[in-house]
Amino acid sequence: QVQLQQSGPGLVKPSQTLSLTCAISGDSVSTNSVAWNWIRQSPSRGLEWLGRTYYRSKWYNDYAVSVQGRITINPDTSKNQFSLQLNSVTPDDTAVYYCAREENSCHEYWGQGTLVTVSS
Amino acid sequence: QSALTQPASVSGSPGQSITISCTGTSSDVGGYNYVSWYRQHPGKAPKLMIYDVSNRPSGVSNRFSGSKSGNTASLTISGLQAEDEADYYCSSYTSSSPLYVFGTGTKVTVL
Repeated sequence: QVQLQQSGPGLVKPSQTLSLTCAISGDSVSTNSVAWNWIRQSPSRGLEWLGRTYYRSKWYNDYAVSVQGRITINPDTSKNQFSLQLNSVTPDDTAVYYCAREENSCHEYWGQGTLVTVSS
Repeated sequence: QSALTQPASVSGSPGQSITISCTGTSSDVGGYNYVSWYRQHPGKAPKLMIYDVSNRPSGVSNRFSGSKSGNTASLTISGLQAEDEADYYCSSYTSSSPLYVFGTGTKVTVL
């Protein structure tokens, strides 16, 4: 059974960097047939797909244009996890952030969610 | 890419059937058979209920079924139960960024 465990701070100051980690059990971040995603949810934006990382003989990333230039998703094969970094955050980035495993063009496994508040 | 359109709320009595619609465009719902549905209880992560328009993951009740016609997908819950009271979201793969778009969400109330 795949399980995703998120960690990271719940409070970030404006203009700083939001950093979250998603630890994977029951699967490998390097599995060829899946992708590892970050999705956020807020009352104003609803559910919003942010990006993903995946391995197909080499590593690839895809990012939403709404956060392009501010977002980085990195795999960590040594710890079997992946991370999200979102730079230059504003209060509009306040949301519950989820990591999720993508397979067959859907997201079956989700992390528990992390409420990140952007405030000074 | 705009969010997919869902009704804000749908309600039904126990045992009844309800249907939730999800309207997109030819760039998402209409262009791919990659529509999925999620149930979300308060304070919890979404749970996958339907994928590829009409397929159920292992462990999901056969009371849940999905379909699609043109740019509109639908989720039907038959034999409504108290545990079905939750928010439901559709999602679709898209032809551009973002790769996945979600619906506006529908609150299901069991009367």
